[in-house]
Amino acid sequence: GQQVMQIPQYQHVQEGEDFTTYCNSSTTLSNIQWYKQRPGGHPVFLIQLVKSGEVKKQKRLTFQFGEAKKNSSLHITATQTTDVGTYFCAGITGKLIFGQGTTLQVKP
Amino acid sequence: DTAVSQTPKYLVTQMGNDKSIKCEQNLGHDTMYWYKQDSKKFLKIMFSYNNKELIINETVPNRFSPKSPDKAHLNLHINSLELGDSAVYFCASSQVVGSGGARDIQYFGAGTRLSVL
Repeated sequence: GQQVMQIPQYQHVQEGEDFTTYCNSSTTLSNIQWYKQRPGGHPVFLIQLVKSGEVKKQKRLTFQFGEAKKNSSLHITATQTTDVGTYFCAGITGKLIFGQGTTLQVKP
Repeated sequence: DTAVSQTPKYLVTQMGNDKSIKCEQNLGHDTMYWYKQDSKKFLKIMFSYNNKELIINETVPNRFSPKSPDKAHLNLHINSLELGDSAVYFCASSQVVGSGGARDIQYFGAGTRLSVL
């Protein structure tokens, strides 16, 4: 069946270091969404990418959608303790399929 | 006003009991969902309803029965609770499903943390 794989599952970084999570789909996606879940909270929508090769930025966060629309990445520059949480990608191919999530821990 | 609200927030119960979780959205969305999140944070879709009609049922045991009295409400009833049902259950809503556009954005409730003892 359709799958969206996300790596790594966990990442521990020192505050100020960069962080990247990757998402790969077994099929071509129509678009991809990213969500953030703070510890003890619920997933909150961050952004949606639609076009092949699209790059979008939100302050220190950079989101990319691959040329083949089968992979995506989220890069955080100079992490802060407020970045802690689990980041999920969600691919859309007729229905929404969530990746397994990457849990980010930031040491102050 | 909370956009997607679910109750209760915490549920602690004994094995074998029956329990219900309620969800309501005031966003005017047509589609509602139930997700189960396990201890490893994996978010697994269980059910999806569009305008009170079941459209996704992801091989969930038939002890779980969703009910949508109207498009703003989606409740989840669980019979004969088992230890493995312990998880956080999230309700979510979106305008449509599979449109490939902004109307697919999911809005989640705060979650119900279910502990089965």
